[in-house]
Amino acid sequence: GIQVEQSPPDLILQEGANSTLRCNFSDSVNNLQWFHQNPWGQLINLFYIPSGTKQNGRLSATTVATERYSLLYISSSQTTDSGVYFCAAANAGGTSYGKLTFGQGTILTVHP
Amino acid sequence: ETGVTQTPRHLVMGMTNKKSLKCEQHLGHNAMYWYKQSAKKPLELMFVYNFKEQTENNSVPSRFSPECPNSSHLFLHLHTLQPEDSALYLCASSSRYAGELFFGEGSRLTVL
Repeated sequence: GIQVEQSPPDLILQEGANSTLRCNFSDSVNNLQWFHQNPWGQLINLFYIPSGTKQNGRLSATTVATERYSLLYISSSQTTDSGVYFCAAANAGGTSYGKLTFGQGTILTVHP
Repeated sequence: ETGVTQTPRHLVMGMTNKKSLKCEQHLGHNAMYWYKQSAKKPLELMFVYNFKEQTENNSVPSRFSPECPNSSHLFLHLHTLQPEDSALYLCASSSRYAGELFFGEGSRLTVL
C-alpha cells in the first residue's frame, strides 16, 4: 500500500513564528488530507488537497502530486495551534484505492 | 459541533465483558469507517462500509465485530478483548467511498 511520511516529528515554536510541515507519499493519490488532532483526540479537518494550493486563514497547504509531497504552512502561530498534525493519503487506484493511510504525525508545541 | 458523533466517549471494560461502540453521522454520507489509534502507532484502518455493505476488513481479529444497519449508523461490538486493544477508536464518514473523511470525537477504550 501507499507509504506516508511526515517531517519533522516534533516542532517547537515561539508564538508568532511561521512553520512548514511536510508530507511525502509513495504513490499517486486521489485523496490527501491534513488534520489537527486536539487534546481530546478528535481529528479536525484542515484541508482536503489531493493537488493544488488552498488557504484558510493563517493556514495554507500545497500538494505537488507529480512530485509526491504536500506542505502545510502555519503563519503567526498561536498557542492554540499546539497538537498533532496528521497527513493522510489514499491511492488513486489498485488494491489500496480509497484506504486513507496516515503518517506518524508532527507534534507541534507553541510557547507563549 | 461535529457531524459525526460517537458514544460512549470513554469506556472501561474487563476482558470478559461485551460492549459496543456507536457512531452516528448527520452529514448524509454513504461510507463509514472505523479507525484505531494506539499509543506510538499511526492510525490504522479497521473496517469500511459503503452503502451499508462491508468493503474492507483490514485483518481485524474477530473479537471486533462491526455492524452497519443503515448509512447513518455504525457499531463496533467488542467481546473478549485483550489489554493491548486499549486505544482510541475513531469513526469517520465520507459522502462517497474514497472521498474526504470527517471524523467523530473518538471513543477511548481501556481494557483491564
